[in-house]
Parts: sequence; C-alpha cells; structure tokens
Amino acid sequence: DGGITQSPKYLFRKEGQNVTLSCEQNLNHDAMYWYRQDPGQGLRLIYYSQIVNDFQKGDIAEGYSVSREKKESFPLTVTSAQKNPTAFYLCASSIEQGIRTDTQYFGPGTRLTVL
Amino acid sequence: AQKVTQAQTEISVVEKEDVTLDCVYETRDTTYYLFWYKQPPSGELVFLIRRNSFDEQNEISGRYSWNFQKSTSSFNFTITASQVVDSAVYFCALSEGVDSSYKLIFGSGTRLLVRP
Repeated sequence: DGGITQSPKYLFRKEGQNVTLSCEQNLNHDAMYWYRQDPGQGLRLIYYSQIVNDFQKGDIAEGYSVSREKKESFPLTVTSAQKNPTAFYLCASSIEQGIRTDTQYFGPGTRLTVL
Repeated sequence: AQKVTQAQTEISVVEKEDVTLDCVYETRDTTYYLFWYKQPPSGELVFLIRRNSFDEQNEISGRYSWNFQKSTSSFNFTITASQVVDSAVYFCALSEGVDSSYKLIFGSGTRLLVRP
C-alpha cells in the first residue's frame, strides 16, 4: 500500500543529544514537509522540500536540520540547539509544490520526549 | 497576513446529534484553497476535503457537509447524526502562496467528543 511511514512512533532523548526522525513515502510525491504540533495547538511548519537536494525553512526552523538526498526520504534532525523539543512531529508529502490545489497527506507522527 | 481561526476549542455532543465546527479565515489572495483534516487519537491527520475559492457550492459526503461562504470568510463543517467514531480533533487550513511554493496555515483545532 502507498503511504507515509514515520519511525519511531515514540522517541525519548536526553537533553543535549541530537536525534533524527525518519520519514519515508512511496507515493512518488515530489514535495515533503515537517510539522511540529504542541498540545492544544495547530501544526507549525519546520522545513519543506520541493525537490531532491533542495529544502526551505518554514516558520520554526531554528534548532532543526533536514536533508533530502532521495525523493522518498526526508529525515529531520532535532539538534541540541532546539530549546523545547518535546512535541509531536508530523511528516507530510504532496504531489508537487507550487500547485495550490495540492493536498498534503500525513504520516502517523513521532512523539518526541526530552528527559 | 493569512490566518485561520477555529474559535471552538472543544465541543461535546451526544451521539446522533448534529454538530457544526466553525472556521473563519483571513487572506488577501483572490485565489486560495481551504482544507479540513481530522486527527483521531492515533495522531495521524486524515484529509477530509479541499475547496478552492471560486467554488462556493456546498458539498456533502455521507454524514459530512461543508458550507463555504466567501462573504463571511467562513468554511464550516457539519457532521450529521454524529457517532462515537467521529471523536477527534478537527483542523481547518488555508493555503498560502509564497513565491513559487505554497504552505498550509492551520487553525488551532476543535476537539470533538461524541458521547454514547
């Protein structure tokens, strides 16, 4: 089945450690996105990528980094510079960035907790 | 600035009641798109509907219906004869054009609890 997978589902990290969240899609979508969701709030865009080897900062990129070496993969690294990393992280993909009719489809999410 | 407001933080209804979730948006664009997503307790966002700014016809899909009114900048979502499985957080979102790309601006969500 086509879809978006994120791993792990739950992730615990000690303060000061970097951690990488995985996002893979087999929908042949060009664009991929990372969002952060805090309790009782909507989603905020961290980074997005329109094509391989290219990505753009979203609204809250500080303390995060990404790479897009393959079309199907868009891993997110939460660095130690991120002051408040505990949150629910959602990855999404869409057919092609720049088309406003484009619908974003989401993965199941990773819940990150900093101990 | 583009903005999406979902003023209802939480709604509780008894099964089989009808319920309407409100969404009000702000945009200066003449062409834009609006979306509704459902987030069940599992966490994944499920796409429900996309509507462009030129199509103001109401849409119905089973027990779900959407009322888009440009005059009041609203895109409300109604669930008829609610069921316990409808319990979730519902998000309204607006597409925002930025240069050659576009981003989704999400509202803060409405938590719907349907009691048996």
